[in-house]
Amino acid sequence: AQKITQTQPGMFVQEKEAVTLDCTYDTSDPSYGLFWYKQPSSGEMIFLIYQGSYDQQNATEGRYSLNFQKARKSANLVISASQLGDSAMYFCAINGGTSYGKLTFGQGTILTVHP
Amino acid sequence: NAGVTQTPKFQVLKTGQSMTLQCAQDMNHNSMYWYRQDPGMGLRLIYYSASEGTTDKGEVPNGYNVSRLNKREFSLRLESAAPSQTSVYFCASSLTLRHEQFFGPGTRLTVL
Repeated sequence: AQKITQTQPGMFVQEKEAVTLDCTYDTSDPSYGLFWYKQPSSGEMIFLIYQGSYDQQNATEGRYSLNFQKARKSANLVISASQLGDSAMYFCAINGGTSYGKLTFGQGTILTVHP
Repeated sequence: NAGVTQTPKFQVLKTGQSMTLQCAQDMNHNSMYWYRQDPGMGLRLIYYSASEGTTDKGEVPNGYNVSRLNKREFSLRLESAAPSQTSVYFCASSLTLRHEQFFGPGTRLTVL
C-alpha cells in the first residue's frame, strides 16, 4: 500500500517570500508518480506539478518547484514569491506500480499568505 | 473546453433514496475517477475506469456503483443513500492512469 504524510497542518508565509510544504511518502513500487494539488476555499482541485520516480531533475512549473529526494522519500513543494492568491489547502498525492490510477492523497496543509 | 463537468452541484437526499451523479469530460481522456472528500481530509478513491468499458474498485467502493457510459461520461450511483455518504464528490479524468488527473468542480451531497 502507498501512503502520503503531510506533517504541517498549517503554514504561514509573508507575501513575496518563499515557502516549503513538506511531503513524505511510502511505497514499495520502484515506478511511481508524485503530484501536488491546490484546493482554494472555493473547493476545486487544481493540479500544480508532477514528479516521476525516474525523473533525473526536479520538476518546476512557474513559481512551483518540487524538491525531490528519492532516498529520503520526500517530495516537498516550494512556492517562490508567495501571493495572496496562494492561500489554500495543498495536497500531496502518489500513484504507481500496481496502484496506477489509485491516487493516494495526504491530509493536506493549509497555507495562509499574509500581506 | 469545459474540462470536467459534474451535475448536480448540490443535492439533499433522505436516507434510503437513490440518485446518480453525472460526470463528463471533453479532453479525450481515457481514464476517469470518482472520489469523495470528507471534512478536513484528503480525497479517497471510490471507483475508477482505466478506459472505456472497464471499471475497478478504489479504496471506498461500498454503497456505490458506477457506469462508464462512453469515453466522455462516467456516472456514480448511490442505490440507497446513508448519512455516512454525506460528502463532497469529485470526478476526475486523465489521459492514462499514469498521467495527472484533472478534477471537476464537485458535488456537495447531504443525506438526512
